[in-house]
Amino acid sequence: QQQVKQSPQSLIVQKGGISIINCAYENTAFDYFPWYQQFPGKGPALLIAIRPDVSEKKEGRFTISFNKSAKQFSLHIMDSQPGDSATYFCAAWNYGGSQGNLIFGKGTKLSVKP
Amino acid sequence: KAGVTQTPRYLIKTRGQQVTLSCSPISGHRSVSWYQQTPGQGLQFLFEYFSETQRNKGNFPGRFSGRQFSNSRSEMNVSTLELGDSALYLCASSPGTLGTEAFFGQGTRLTVV
Repeated sequence: QQQVKQSPQSLIVQKGGISIINCAYENTAFDYFPWYQQFPGKGPALLIAIRPDVSEKKEGRFTISFNKSAKQFSLHIMDSQPGDSATYFCAAWNYGGSQGNLIFGKGTKLSVKP
Repeated sequence: KAGVTQTPRYLIKTRGQQVTLSCSPISGHRSVSWYQQTPGQGLQFLFEYFSETQRNKGNFPGRFSGRQFSNSRSEMNVSTLELGDSALYLCASSPGTLGTEAFFGQGTRLTVV
């Protein structure tokens, strides 16, 4: 119940294309869903996040879509660029508790071909 | 504003030894969490400290321990190192009690030989 399942494991997209990464969860207590971007040799960096009371959030070329009833959320990267090539992690957090931690998906390695 | 600083960046240790990793959170952040990242298991939560108290703990053996100081700096200790402890250890700091918006450091790459 504590898992966050992420797919695909790897993704190759042409420059200018749309990259889509999907995540699913079981625990309905999760109430904050961030996406992290990680480049080799670096720590994960917060990219964008969403709360379950919102179905979509957009920041620049990055959009999170959230389907509460299906317990799924996805990251869309529009106009993908070679500089977007990185590993992306979805995560979930029990926001309301005094204790909590991030539960991460296994990651998606994105390669954007020029 | 300075980010999360982890030291050292790289470590090589021998099986059976112990190791201490350090994390300086973003100024004003009171929560520090530690994660282990490996290719096989991904990012796994170790523990979280808030105001010098361990507030949450993941499913790791007792060989993994930590502490937080009054200035919010945190250390993580691994005793009796095993080959399987080779990993990238990441520290994340958060601004307050809600523990969201975690900002990660670059990590300490630990290799156990």
